Amino acid sequence: DQQVKQNSPSLSVQEGRISILNCDYTNSMFDYFLWYKKYPAEGPTFLISISSIKDKNEDGRFTVFLNKSAKHLSLHIVPSQPGDSAVYFCAAKDSGTYKYIFGTGTRLKVLA
Amino acid sequence: DAGVIQSPRHEVTEMGQEVTLRCKPISGHDYLFWYRQTMMRGLELLIYFNNNVPIDDSGMPEDRFSAKMPNASFSTLKIQPSEPRDSAVYFCASTTLAVPLHFGNGTRLTVT
Repeated sequence: DQQVKQNSPSLSVQEGRISILNCDYTNSMFDYFLWYKKYPAEGPTFLISISSIKDKNEDGRFTVFLNKSAKHLSLHIVPSQPGDSAVYFCAAKDSGTYKYIFGTGTRLKVLA
Repeated sequence: DAGVIQSPRHEVTEMGQEVTLRCKPISGHDYLFWYRQTMMRGLELLIYFNNNVPIDDSGMPEDRFSAKMPNASFSTLKIQPSEPRDSAVYFCASTTLAVPLHFGNGTRLTVT
C-alpha cells in the first residue's frame, strides 16, 4: 500500500506561470514532509521541507503548503522556469523514526 | 564534501547471477538508506541503518536481497540470484540529525 501518493504522473506549465504539484498521504503519524527534485541520471536533491506543526513554508520561488486535516501537501513554484523541468518527489518521515517514505513522482515540464 | 558515492553507475547482468551494489555515505552521517526507483512504485525504501545497525528492513522484497554495513563508510546491497524484475535504479542516501537525505547518483541495474 502506498502511504504517500502523487496522483499526477506529469504536468506541463508555461514558463512564468505557477506550477502546483500535489501529494496525499495516509499515515497521520508523519511529522515532517519534504520535496525533492530529480534530473535524469542524477540522484534526487532536496528542495524544501515543512514540519507537521506548520502549514506553510517558503523559500524563494518555492512554497510548500500542508493541510493536515486533508492529509495533503502541495508545492507551488512561481514563476516556473524551464530549468525547473524535472521529476518531483514528495516524501514523509514517520515520527519517532528516520523512515522516509517517498511518492511515485510527478514529471514537470516547463515550456519556454 | 564528495557527497554520497555509489558504484557501479551501471550494471548489466544475466538472470541468476549475483549482483553487489556499493555505497559510501557522507562522512559524519550516521543514517544510511537504500531505495529502489521504479515507474510503478516510485522511490521505494528497502532498508535503513543507524550507526551501522539495520533498523528497518521491511521493504526488502525477498530473501534474495541482503544489505550490510560493516563500517560507517561503506554499505553493500546484494541480490542473489538476480531476476529480470529486479531491473531498476538503486539509490543510496545518508543523513544525520536535522539534515535532509542526501542521495547518490544511483546504480542502474539491468538483469537480462
